[in-house]
Amino acid sequence: QKEVEQNSGPLSVPEGAIASLNCTYSDRGSQSFFWYRQYSGKSPELIMFIYSNGDKEDGRFTAQLNKASQYVSLLIRDSQPSDSATYLCAVNNGGSNYQLIWGAGTKLIIKP
Amino acid sequence: GAVVSQHPSRVICKSGTSVKIECRSLDFQATTMFWYRQFPKKSLMLMATSNEGSKATYEQGVEKDKFLINHASLTLSTLTVTSAHPEDSSFYICSARPQGQGYGYTFGSGTRLTVV
Repeated sequence: QKEVEQNSGPLSVPEGAIASLNCTYSDRGSQSFFWYRQYSGKSPELIMFIYSNGDKEDGRFTAQLNKASQYVSLLIRDSQPSDSATYLCAVNNGGSNYQLIWGAGTKLIIKP
Repeated sequence: GAVVSQHPSRVICKSGTSVKIECRSLDFQATTMFWYRQFPKKSLMLMATSNEGSKATYEQGVEKDKFLINHASLTLSTLTVTSAHPEDSSFYICSARPQGQGYGYTFGSGTRLTVV
């Protein structure tokens, strides 16, 4: 059973601080890794994707991938109250046509 | 780019009726689309993979005769919930991705189905 694990939270972070969200996955064949943000009652919104080991930065967001440890993380710098949402980690199913395996999500709360 | 449009956003129907949900890729061709279901405070559950010009692939436990999927063109997939019951009330979301490695999966805005 291929799995993606996330701490469900809630993770509470003061405004302006760095929020760190973590995700581990079981399928060593996975090549693509995605972070989505989902506000309550809305559909998921893509934040970032990463394919290579190391860091990938986009504005206040940094995705980090370590394939040897099967670990992917998302850092949010200068956290804002509007960042409060559930963050979903998704990993491609190495054996299928673009299917994703989803984590259950981490609820992030940014406190003003 | 990579916009997925989903309609309707919200629908209320009576038990026993059928509801059709449309998912369109607006600026790219999607040979594959994915249909998800999400219950309140739960994660996404993949229902089926929709393949243009061929039969959909359903996940274990999803009734293919109840959730009819048609992917008749490279930009349109439809999900029809047949003979809907209150337990089918949920948030249904479609997703697709342009070809190539430089894109993530884009989601439609979702359809909130309430069966009364």
